[in-house]
Amino acid sequence: AQSVAQPEDQVNVAEGNPLTVKCTYSVSGNPYLFWYVQYPNRGLQFLLKYITGDNLVKGSYGFEAEFNKSQTSFHLKKPSALVSDSALYFCAVRLDDKIIFGKGTRLHILP
Amino acid sequence: EAGVAQSPRYKIIEKRQSVAFWCNPISGHATLYWYQQILGQGPKLLIQFQNNGVVDDSQLPKDRFSAERLKGVDSTLKIQPAKLEDSAVYLCASSLDGQNNQPQHFGDGTRLSIL
Repeated sequence: AQSVAQPEDQVNVAEGNPLTVKCTYSVSGNPYLFWYVQYPNRGLQFLLKYITGDNLVKGSYGFEAEFNKSQTSFHLKKPSALVSDSALYFCAVRLDDKIIFGKGTRLHILP
Repeated sequence: EAGVAQSPRYKIIEKRQSVAFWCNPISGHATLYWYQQILGQGPKLLIQFQNNGVVDDSQLPKDRFSAERLKGVDSTLKIQPAKLEDSAVYLCASSLDGQNNQPQHFGDGTRLSIL
């Protein structure tokens, strides 16, 4: 069965420091991978996706994600965190028309 | 472009009552999704439409939940009768044609509280 794991419920990072939000997945095949962000009382907003090609994907607001096939991971990264990056982040896996979201990681950027 | 519109934003009802949510996707988007997001969890797909046909409703509790997209544009999701465990945010999303490589565009959701 397909599954997505976001092992950290919360990540705290000081403003200006690099951030990483982790995601690993378990599927039998080559999935499409997505990151979404959710601000309070809002819907999910698309950040970036991996389809094929370069393992480092760049997305909105300076975010990027690194695909690692051997480790089945798709970690979200940003070189320098902003207070405005504080939000809930979801990793999602899509394969054979099925989509599964992780449970989410709350990111706190400390000023 | 205008985003995905949902109404109402908030709804409070008592258990065993019925409730309906409305969604208008982005113009031209053939695929529409309804998700249930329980506090502390990621969204769970309830139903996916391609135009006015159902693609996947495997996780829809069909004894109490129903959804329709009669004209292939806007959609309604209904719960009848509601249970306490239905308290959640109901998100609607749309995508151009439902291909696996396309991102979904989400509305702001309806927060449902069951008393």
